[in-house]
Amino acid sequence: EAGVAQSPRYKIIEKRQSVAFWCNPISGHATLYWYQQILGQGPKLLIQFQNNGVVDDSQLPKDRFSAERLKGVDSTLKIQPAKLEDSAVYLCASSLVRAGGYTFGSGTRLTVV
Amino acid sequence: AQSVTQPDIHITVSEGASLELRCNYSYGATPYLFWYVQSPGQGLQLLLKYFSGDTLVQGIKGFEAEFKRSQSSFNLRKPSVHWSDAAEYFCAVGESGGGADGLTFGKGTHLIIQP
Repeated sequence: EAGVAQSPRYKIIEKRQSVAFWCNPISGHATLYWYQQILGQGPKLLIQFQNNGVVDDSQLPKDRFSAERLKGVDSTLKIQPAKLEDSAVYLCASSLVRAGGYTFGSGTRLTVV
Repeated sequence: AQSVTQPDIHITVSEGASLELRCNYSYGATPYLFWYVQSPGQGLQLLLKYFSGDTLVQGIKGFEAEFKRSQSSFNLRKPSVHWSDAAEYFCAVGESGGGADGLTFGKGTHLIIQP
């Protein structure tokens, strides 16, 4: 089966600019997650979708981050305006069933200068 | 709130030697436990997972892990490491109840293989 697709692979922006990341989960996977991985740390959950509804966004900095999953398939994560501390890899993951095993994409590496 | 501790930031092992990576978790009920591996510039690959049942779990690439409830631990082991095992290893815990099931990760252990 095809994996979790993410784009772009890399992005460099200046602080205060906006940026968007795209994720296409494995076909049929109802649950989609966005994680932020800062260099030297483990991934941190930002938001979890079940179909097109939000299950958990308690760790999403809502003043600058937003995410949507229209039609319960693809998802976009947006940062506006970006800060230097947002430099990280943004990972998307999907799963078919609860705790059935999460498949991660290769991530988008964001550098804010 | 759940948490994961990986006490070793770096571990160096000679090729062919045995390996044990430590993981301790904090969670009120029986957790779902995972080990992932991440090579530079790559996403996370699942090595193994524990949900219930046999506390010794076998994974891919010759890895295994043992769930010890009394010690709140889920240590990863491999009897003989290969140079290709050099990578970052993450332990993670997930909620076994209903609702949100996103993972909480440890900070990772960087594995270095000496020739």
